[in-house]
Amino acid sequence: EPEVTQTPSHQVTQMGQEVILRCVPISNHLYFYWYRQILGQKVEFLVSFYNNEISEKSEIFDDQFSVERPDGSNFTLKIRSTKLEDSAMYFCASMVGGLEQYFGPGTRLTVT
Amino acid sequence: AQSVAQPEDQVNVAEGNPLTVKCTYSVSGNPYLFWYVQYPNRGLQFLLKYITGDNLVKGSYGFEAEFNKSQTSFHLKKPSALVSDSALYFCAVRDDAGNMLTFGGGTRLMVKP
Repeated sequence: EPEVTQTPSHQVTQMGQEVILRCVPISNHLYFYWYRQILGQKVEFLVSFYNNEISEKSEIFDDQFSVERPDGSNFTLKIRSTKLEDSAMYFCASMVGGLEQYFGPGTRLTVT
Repeated sequence: AQSVAQPEDQVNVAEGNPLTVKCTYSVSGNPYLFWYVQYPNRGLQFLLKYITGDNLVKGSYGFEAEFNKSQTSFHLKKPSALVSDSALYFCAVRDDAGNMLTFGGGTRLMVKP
């Protein structure tokens, strides 16, 4: 069964450094998402991406964040200058269209 | 703005007994409702969805959920719980205009042998 995959599973970085989180969505899916879950808190929407552009974004998704689909298979989330409060589990999701979103296993980002 | 409430942080049930995990929602327009399950150190697994039609929807692993429009609820149910059902369950909603999911805070289900 096709799955969303994410790399790395755990990323440790120092405050102020740039990180790139990578996702490979399910191959025939058209909509792509990033969510995050700070430890002990709700899963929060960050951004949705369709047809090579951002379709929705939350207040969390400020200028420090960007997304890209560089090669038609990968979907990346970049944080330009990480802060301590960016420490969270980041989930990528994809969707065929109008139906359920399928989530990857997540990347745990730890900012020290 | 859309929102989801899961009023119970934890639900305890004995194996073989029926279980219910509660969810209420608020959304403008028609709701699309989902249940996901999260096992330790794993991502969110889709269980079931309500888009339209029959108010009782059936999903994976014997779970079902009942949509109640007047009570704005979408409770998750299973007739006979298994120890392996122990996990964190999330209810989520989106409206028919957008794609972003709004999640509830999650309910930890503990099934004891």
